[in-house]
Amino acid sequence: QVQLQESGPGLVKPSETLSLTCSVSGGSISNYYWTWIRQPPGKGLEWIANIYNSGSTSYNPSLKRRVTMALDASRNQLSLRLSSLTAADTAVYYCAREGCTSGSCNGYFDLWGRGTLVTVSS
Amino acid sequence: DIQMTQSPSSLSASVGDRVTITCRASQTISSYLNWYQRKPGKAPKLLIYASSTLQSGVPSRFSGSGSGTDFTLTISSLQPEDFATYYCQQSYSTPYTFGQGTNLEIK
Repeated sequence: QVQLQESGPGLVKPSETLSLTCSVSGGSISNYYWTWIRQPPGKGLEWIANIYNSGSTSYNPSLKRRVTMALDASRNQLSLRLSSLTAADTAVYYCAREGCTSGSCNGYFDLWGRGTLVTVSS
Repeated sequence: DIQMTQSPSSLSASVGDRVTITCRASQTISSYLNWYQRKPGKAPKLLIYASSTLQSGVPSRFSGSGSGTDFTLTISSLQPEDFATYYCQQSYSTPYTFGQGTNLEIK
């Protein structure tokens, strides 16, 4: 059974860069879209970015200047880098897999990690 | 961005009740509407995609309907394990966006 596990530093300082990793176990990372989503405390879910195994990426325009998503197929891992952090970036960060039907991936998320809490504070 | 508005934001109900949650999009999204369930400390779970398609393994008491801008999630007979937070999400265009959530509590 495919499982996703996010990992990260937990606490980062303002203005620094956040680096998160999502490890995919029990299945291949290939031929799917993979996504990062976050939820600040008391707020809604926000889609950050997605990537296909070809390396093709799409970013939320609200974060595009600060975010980079990458995929390492040899390690079955995804990564997210978010720069110039502020307190507003404090959130639970989730990685998720986009569901695909008959080779077409349709923007819904059929598999999620449990999330990792990132707090931005000095 | 497409704005998604869920109602109600919270709901109290009893085991066995029929419950309906609504989701409205700020523009037409055809049937590109998905529903998730989230419980504390657990990974969110996909319930329904493409407005009305039940994800594999999800109990048949969950159903979805709608197209265009107005959508509903219905739980036909609430079970104890259904008390959770529910989110809608549009996958019509990026950036994908979510409703603010409906917290379903035990009455």
